[in-house]
Amino acid sequence: AQRVTQPEKLLSVFKGAPVELKCNYSYSGSPELFWYVQYSRQRLQLLLRHISRESIKGFTADLNKGETSFHLKKPFAQEEDSAMYYCALSGRTGNQFYFGTGTSLTVIP
Amino acid sequence: KAGVTQTPRYLIKTRGQQVTLSCSPISGHRSVSWYQQTPGQGLQFLFEYFSETQRNKGNFPGRFSGRQFSNSRSEMNVSTLELGDSALYLCASDAQGATGTGELFFGEGSRLTVL
Repeated sequence: AQRVTQPEKLLSVFKGAPVELKCNYSYSGSPELFWYVQYSRQRLQLLLRHISRESIKGFTADLNKGETSFHLKKPFAQEEDSAMYYCALSGRTGNQFYFGTGTSLTVIP
Repeated sequence: KAGVTQTPRYLIKTRGQQVTLSCSPISGHRSVSWYQQTPGQGLQFLFEYFSETQRNKGNFPGRFSGRQFSNSRSEMNVSTLELGDSALYLCASDAQGATGTGELFFGEGSRLTVL
């Protein structure tokens, strides 16, 4: 069965410290993995997707098929990174996304 | 371009009633999907429409239904409301074509409270 797990509901780090938001998935096939973010009083929006292999706002995420993980990392956290982060998985048959329950990141000044 | 628009933003219903929610996607987007967001379950996929056809369906009872019109606007309907249907219902549109999977653009949601 398809499943996305984000083990941390809440995560606090100090400004300038590294941050890693964990995401593990289960899927019987070749999924596409995404990170979505929701800043305070804004809409849920795409942060990055694994196929792009981009760094967005300093964040990167590597798909590890062996460990079925897609952890989000940033070497130096900024206050503006405080937000709710959702890991999501999509199969290749249309737009059916499976979301994790989210991690609320707080960056302490 | 205007973003995804959902109406109404807030509504209160009582058990047993039905409700219809509306979603206008970004102009040119043909895929519209719906999600239910609750504190306990997070975002759960309801269904997706593409070119007026339901392309994918999540694991929700038949009380939840939807449709898409020729202008890509979509509606979802929940009949015989239960207390557990209280949630934020999010609509998302996508510019991808028939091959699917792309970047979802979300609306602000319709907050349904069932009393």
